[in-house]
Amino acid sequence: QQQVKQSPQSLIVQKGGISIINCAYENTAFDYFPWYQQFPGKGPALLIAIRPDVSEKKEGRFTISFNKSAKQFSLHIMDSQPGDSATYFCAAIGNQFYFGTGTSLTVIP
Amino acid sequence: DAGITQSPRHKVTETGTPVTLRCHQTENHRYMYWYRQDPGHGLRLIHYSYGVKDTDKGEVSDGYSVSRSKTEDFLLTLESATSSQTSVYFCAISDHYEQYFGPGTRLTVT
Repeated sequence: QQQVKQSPQSLIVQKGGISIINCAYENTAFDYFPWYQQFPGKGPALLIAIRPDVSEKKEGRFTISFNKSAKQFSLHIMDSQPGDSATYFCAAIGNQFYFGTGTSLTVIP
Repeated sequence: DAGITQSPRHKVTETGTPVTLRCHQTENHRYMYWYRQDPGHGLRLIHYSYGVKDTDKGEVSDGYSVSRSKTEDFLLTLESATSSQTSVYFCAISDHYEQYFGPGTRLTVT
């Protein structure tokens, strides 16, 4: 049973556009929600994270929106750049880490 | 990068042979994890450790064992490798919420 459901599987965005990746979870015991960025041949790297008592967190062009009642959270990449092309994973943390299945983002110049 | 190294980085082995992957950290983090990454499945936890000689199973632990005799080293052993264990294996470390990943080991079982 997938603890964290992530969509879409792949995403193509024009340079300067907004990229949006969504995740949903069921277990209300999760209390930390990070996003990871992974480039080909590399390990995932922590990008940004949020706790459920906050509805939004912004770091530069990256924003997490969190909807506790809907048990959903999303990553928004503003002004998307070709260098943002990577695979993005959401995760939910309680007593263990659970990862989404990943979204492959391609930003077209 | 967090001080995490994995060895070997690439390995090709035959079905039925034992294989050991090593993860080494210089951060003195308490928790260490082994994941496998496969297309369409994302990252799946194999085993994790919450201290020296303290380990527990993750969601895909069958066919794998681990050992942690020192804080800095976490070993993953495939007792008898099968083709279904062809994957990229990542080690991660954390003190609590934030995990930091190693560069990965690409394992091919022929």
